[in-house]
Amino acid sequence: EAGVVQSPRYKIIEKKQPVAFWCNPISGHNTLYWYLQNLGQGPELLIRYENEEAVDDSQLPKDRFSAERLKGVDSTLKIQPAELGDSAVYLCASSLGKNTEAFFGQGTRLTVV
Amino acid sequence: SQQGEEDPQALSIQEGENATMNCSYKTSINNLQWYRQNSGRGLVHLILIRSNEREKHSGRLRVTLDTSKKSSSLLITASRAADTASYFCATMNNNAGNMLTFGGGTRLMVKP
Repeated sequence: EAGVVQSPRYKIIEKKQPVAFWCNPISGHNTLYWYLQNLGQGPELLIRYENEEAVDDSQLPKDRFSAERLKGVDSTLKIQPAELGDSAVYLCASSLGKNTEAFFGQGTRLTVV
Repeated sequence: SQQGEEDPQALSIQEGENATMNCSYKTSINNLQWYRQNSGRGLVHLILIRSNEREKHSGRLRVTLDTSKKSSSLLITASRAADTASYFCATMNNNAGNMLTFGGGTRLMVKP
């Protein structure tokens, strides 16, 4: 069975440009997470979906970040415009439901120059 | 914000030795999970321990949970060079559904 698939793996953009990340969770997983991870630190939650509903998005900088999960399956995370401080690894994870483990994708490493 | 705090932040041991990492958290939990991350890779789930469990084993891994002290430990026995990675604890909270909150991690180096 395929795991969580993220694309692209790497992205380099100039500041003020838009960027989008895509995530395909494990089939049947209702919960989808987007995390941001800075070097040497733990993942920080940006947004969590239960099916197509965003239920935790308090840490998402809504002035520049947006996310969607169409039909409760794939999800995209967008930044517009990107800032230098957005350089980080963006991780997507999915889980089957309550009290279960999360499965992570390989992440997208974003560099804003 | 991060719920869990790992201790130590970095640990260096010789192959064959045991490695112990600790995690403390602040609010009541449904479960606590440990993950491993190799450099440049995604996180891999190791063990999930529920709030009503006190100890769990998986191969060379042993996890304990003390809800009265709001702490957990991960023990890796007979470490190998391939165990070199960052280890994170994550908590799922009673009042937050499936929200999974991570600590800052322990960076383990096992020297051959």
